[in-house]
Amino acid sequence: ILNVEQSPQSLHVQEGDSTNFTCSFPSSNFYALHWYRWETAKSPEALFVMTLNGDEKKKGRISATLNTKEGYSYLYIKGSQPEDSATYLCAWGSGGGADGLTFGKGTHLIIQP
Amino acid sequence: NAGVTQTPKFQVLKTGQSMTLQCAQDMNHEYMSWYRQDPGMGLRLIHYSVGAGITDQGEVPNGYNVSRSTTEDFPLRLLSAAPSQTSVYFCASSYLSMGYEQYFGPGTRLTVT
Repeated sequence: ILNVEQSPQSLHVQEGDSTNFTCSFPSSNFYALHWYRWETAKSPEALFVMTLNGDEKKKGRISATLNTKEGYSYLYIKGSQPEDSATYLCAWGSGGGADGLTFGKGTHLIIQP
Repeated sequence: NAGVTQTPKFQVLKTGQSMTLQCAQDMNHEYMSWYRQDPGMGLRLIHYSVGAGITDQGEVPNGYNVSRSTTEDFPLRLLSAAPSQTSVYFCASSYLSMGYEQYFGPGTRLTVT
């Protein structure tokens, strides 16, 4: 099993500050990279799915970039708000798209008022 | 649309008992998958299906069976429950493959004593 690593494991950020965290994945046989937001007592919700090297996606104050050649993706949150507190998961898909996703363990983000 | 539904929400089993976790989706998604979530381990793929009649094993398939007789339903069967199968189980679906965002069900919390 090839690993997907996320760092940091947890992060405390002051409200209003911007932050970012990393997802590292195997660069070979890449198919897709997913980001999910997971709030306590809820189910993961999709933020982005990226498939092309150099992809950049944005949703409100959250954005993500993808480098498939070196095997990493960054998630950025601009002007953090308390409602951004959640665990952020990335997941790597390989092969031709008919295989499963491998998830990282997540970055637990806490926004302090 | 109800999205992805899972039943039951909670279940307690004795070691050796069998049971089926139900998962259904009403979005006409081809791709469905089952994950388990354990503390410190992240989401791990148990089994997945790319369409009716087609299933495959994920990272942790031992002790579980699946079938996909219809597009809508993807039940997960525990053959002989063991304490190591105590976990939260999530079902997810996506349009065609893992190149599309996954929609997660609310989860089933299973305890095996």
